[in-house]
Amino acid sequence: GAVVSQHPSRVICKSGTSVKIECRSLDFQATTMFWYRQFPKQSLMLMATSNEGSKATYEQGVEKDKFLINHASLTLSTLTVTSAHPEDSSFYICSARALRGTGDSYEQYFGPGTRLTVT
Amino acid sequence: GQNIDQPTEMTATEGAIVQINCTYQTSGFNGLFWYQQHAGEAPTFLSYNVLDGLEEKGRFSSFLSRSKGYSYLLLKELQMKDSASYLCAGMDSNYQLIWGAGTKLIIKP
Repeated sequence: GAVVSQHPSRVICKSGTSVKIECRSLDFQATTMFWYRQFPKQSLMLMATSNEGSKATYEQGVEKDKFLINHASLTLSTLTVTSAHPEDSSFYICSARALRGTGDSYEQYFGPGTRLTVT
Repeated sequence: GQNIDQPTEMTATEGAIVQINCTYQTSGFNGLFWYQQHAGEAPTFLSYNVLDGLEEKGRFSSFLSRSKGYSYLLLKELQMKDSASYLCAGMDSNYQLIWGAGTKLIIKP
């Protein structure tokens, strides 16, 4: 159980275009989803936290107009990179968290990641 | 401020034991996580500690001392497939994960 899928796994796009990445929790309801970015040989960097039905909370330095997040249902969140530039090339990873009652470890389940290359 | 410290890189021999240390400072504390991340892949959950002591799970064990703000991940009977980065993350009072930079573990034959 607790599987998170992410689509696409790899995408190459031209500079100036927009790219949408989907994150789905397949066998549980995700009340909270997280979007991370990871550059080579660096740690995870949290971009934003989204709760179903409400606006995402962005980390400092992350442009909310550039990285649009929609958490429309308890099983789906999308990240759209608008007007992508080469410096946006990175590994984007989503994770989902389900609160299942007392004693929950608040574990985050990660999707497999999306490697974005902007040419 | 909030901070997670762990060594950047460690090297160990196949079949041996290695201990990866992590010290943490978080605003409030709701547990300490360890994740494994192979190159080019997303992290996978290894362990969660919220009470002091040692949690053993097969070849991997994790220890927590809340009074010292300290945790370690212990890997026994190392295998080549254990070569990966190991991420320590503390959960703060808002249930947000504060991530360490990760420890790259290199296993040599």
